Formats: sequence, C-alpha cells, structure tokens
Amino acid sequence: GAGVSQSPSNKVTEKGKDVELRCDPISGHTALYWYRQSLGQGLEFLIYFQGNSAPDKSGLPSDRFSAERTGGSVSTLTIQRTQQEDSAVYLCASSHMATEAFFGQGTRLTVV
Amino acid sequence: QQQVKQSPQSLIVQKGGISIINCAYENTAFDYFPWYQQFPGKGPALLIAIRPDVSEKKEGRFTISFNKSAKQFSLHIMDSQPGDSATYFCAASGSGNTPLVFGKGTRLSVIA
Repeated sequence: GAGVSQSPSNKVTEKGKDVELRCDPISGHTALYWYRQSLGQGLEFLIYFQGNSAPDKSGLPSDRFSAERTGGSVSTLTIQRTQQEDSAVYLCASSHMATEAFFGQGTRLTVV
Repeated sequence: QQQVKQSPQSLIVQKGGISIINCAYENTAFDYFPWYQQFPGKGPALLIAIRPDVSEKKEGRFTISFNKSAKQFSLHIMDSQPGDSATYFCAASGSGNTPLVFGKGTRLSVIA
C-alpha cells in the first residue's frame, strides 16, 4: 500500500482480555514506531524497531505490553489483561533512515 | 521526563493573523526537529522540519525558526486560515534514526 496501514481501526474489548493491534508499514521503511495518544493528549512513545537491531522498549508502560516485528515488516502490538487506562488511540509510524516518519490512522482502543 | 516542552496548550487566532507555537528541548544530541499537524480522527502528518545547521526554514505560509544556543524552535503560520485549525506537535530526535520525542501539542483554532 501507499501508506502505513493499521488494523483494526476501532476495537472495543472487555477489561482483562488480551488485544492485538496490527501495523503494516510503508514498504522498504527500516524503522517502525508505536505511540499512544490518550484523548486530547500528546504522543507517548511506546517502542521502536530499527532494522535488525534490538528494539527500544523503553516506552512500554508495563509488562502487559509487548510488540514484535516479523521479517522486518509487519508489527503487532499486544496488550495483555487490558485495563481501562489502556483506552487510547494507538498510532504506528514508519520511516526510512533519519527522515520523515509517516503515521497510520491509528487504532482506537476502548476497554469497557 | 519531558524532553520537549511545547506552548501554548491552545491558541485562538483571527483569520489572516500569525499563529506562533514554541518548543524547547533539553537534549543537545537532538539534530532533527519536525512539526506535525493532526486533524481529528487522523494520524499526525509532517508539516515542516529543520536541522540545526540553519536558523530558519520557510515553506509557503509555514516557517520554523531555530535557536540552537537557546535550545528552542518555533512554528509560525502566516495568514492563518480556518483550514489550519488542527493540533500541532513539535518533535525532536537524534541522529541514527532514533525515535521521535513529541511535545504535548497545541490545539489551534483559526476563527473568521
């Protein structure tokens, strides 16, 4: 595709359930980022993948959060035992080298 | 630890006026300073970016002013239009394709 694709666009889940959020980056982009944006708030860095290097996980808020990137392309962000405070928009971005990061439309997660 | 501080949190400007948003950073290793524009329900999109080898960059009605010694940079929107109403984020990153660190955002409203 032409841009960063995220799925699903919306997800409602019950507290305590696990969720998986998917990101398809732009083809050829070596870097992939996950950010979280709470209502009306800024962008909170979660995790960063760059090529074959070990991911920078310094932004993950708890061990309930994990992410992987398979084959240097698609990434999945997993949230285990979801809590209401996990409700937010989860944004994925990709870039090539140290240039513009392109964002997807985000996944709006609601934990009820 | 907030590495990029952005102000104001919200801004109301008359149509045709100048919108000014300011950011300050702490990490002297930062060498890439983009501004992102975000409309409701959309992911952020790159508006304009600057590197510290220049003090100003202009693209159409949008100008970044950069002050390396003060560790500050600002976005100026000339002849502001209602279509510019959006949330604006400044960001910064270091060399080596490190993750972008974002400010908390400024909600701009341009009124006719």
